[in-house]
Amino acid sequence: ETGVTQTPRHLVMGMTNKKSLKCEQHLGHNAMYWYKQSAKKPLELMFVYNFKEQTENNSVPSRFSPECPNSSHLFLHLHTLQPEDSALYLCASSLTGGRDEAFFGQGTRLTVV
Amino acid sequence: QKEVEQNSGPLSVPEGAIASLNCTYSDRGSQSFFWYRQYSGKSPELIMFIYSNGDKEDGRFTAQLNKASQYVSLLIRDSQPSDSATYLCAVNMITDKLIFGTGTRLQVFP
Repeated sequence: ETGVTQTPRHLVMGMTNKKSLKCEQHLGHNAMYWYKQSAKKPLELMFVYNFKEQTENNSVPSRFSPECPNSSHLFLHLHTLQPEDSALYLCASSLTGGRDEAFFGQGTRLTVV
Repeated sequence: QKEVEQNSGPLSVPEGAIASLNCTYSDRGSQSFFWYRQYSGKSPELIMFIYSNGDKEDGRFTAQLNKASQYVSLLIRDSQPSDSATYLCAVNMITDKLIFGTGTRLQVFP
């Protein structure tokens, strides 16, 4: 148990669906991250929020929309996804987003059909 | 050039041996360096972090950092079959970006 909780753990959605991934951290951290992990590829940084402000958007398609209402919660809203978006989506948090280590949630295994 | 590079492996070592995992990075201004372990189907878990040049030891694990060569390594002494996993090197750039390598798959055989 890392103190970072993601829901749901598994999600199957059609290309026309809209769904959201949720991440919650109980560590008192101020930075939160979304990563995508596909087979045989490195963890890809998608978004970074530091003190609720988005500080990184790594050229992510607009069909992925993040939301960070407060320092403890992070959402990833999904719409009109493609089959190649199927992957493990990982949320992480760190104390300040600078030098500090990141702690990961269990991930959401997303399948787009 | 990739920002963080690792040999994908697999690296196979016998039980009890030393496993040596290597990582190079491109941003000379990088400040923090991390090693994560990821078992199949699980999320990455932090093993060690290192900020300064030299060695840092924690139990069977030793992280080594050489900023001049832009090189960081992880040594696992007395390797156990339970150490079999993918080891991810991560580097924190000057901004808020924590960038990962592709990982090295380690196999420890009895």
